[in-house]
Amino acid sequence: QQPVQSPQAVILREGEDAVINCSSSKALYSVHWYRQKHGEAPVFLMILLKGGEQKGHEKISASFNEKKQQSSLYLTASQLSYSGTYFCGTVIRGADGLTFGKGTHLIIQP
Amino acid sequence: GAGVSQSPRYKVAKRGQDVALRCDPISGHVSLFWYQQALGQGPEFLTYFQNEAQLDKSGLPSDRFFAERPEGSVSTLKIQRTQQEDSAVYLCASSFFSGGARETQYFGPGTRLLVL
Repeated sequence: QQPVQSPQAVILREGEDAVINCSSSKALYSVHWYRQKHGEAPVFLMILLKGGEQKGHEKISASFNEKKQQSSLYLTASQLSYSGTYFCGTVIRGADGLTFGKGTHLIIQP
Repeated sequence: GAGVSQSPRYKVAKRGQDVALRCDPISGHVSLFWYQQALGQGPEFLTYFQNEAQLDKSGLPSDRFFAERPEGSVSTLKIQRTQQEDSAVYLCASSFFSGGARETQYFGPGTRLLVL
């Protein structure tokens, strides 16, 4: 039931792009993306509610393919501040809480 | 405005002790969630409140875990007879509406519990 995130870790140079994937074996109602820095609270990035929906937030965008139960997070022209662990949280119909993946560790080097 | 706050930020307990973790959600937020995050893992859902009603406690790992939100604002997560496997960060999150996990959840900084 836990969504699968890939890759587990990414190391980038500042300015490079990254894609983080999240897939589920269950039919999803929504997908939530968070970034968490060590010792801090997860910070909300975006929520995707509809199939095929794509959202953007500055240089961070995401898509949700309802048919495939997959979501992808796109980071373009990465900045040092983007470093952290990215989690997708999925919602299945009838559930009250988010089910999170194991996270993708993103390291941005100058 | 103020975000979700949690106290204490750190708690060390001896095995067998009872602990109480507090969460102050964002003012006016109807929904409140508790999650448990083990080292190197994603948060795992514990329980959900809508105002003072505990609508879902399916994630509580045992009957040693108990949560309450008596006045629909502040919530307390209590762990009785703590065990070493209870060591984790306990995160609280709140959302404005009553839509459960369909709404955006805002997380607090967590309480890091270490059971010796």
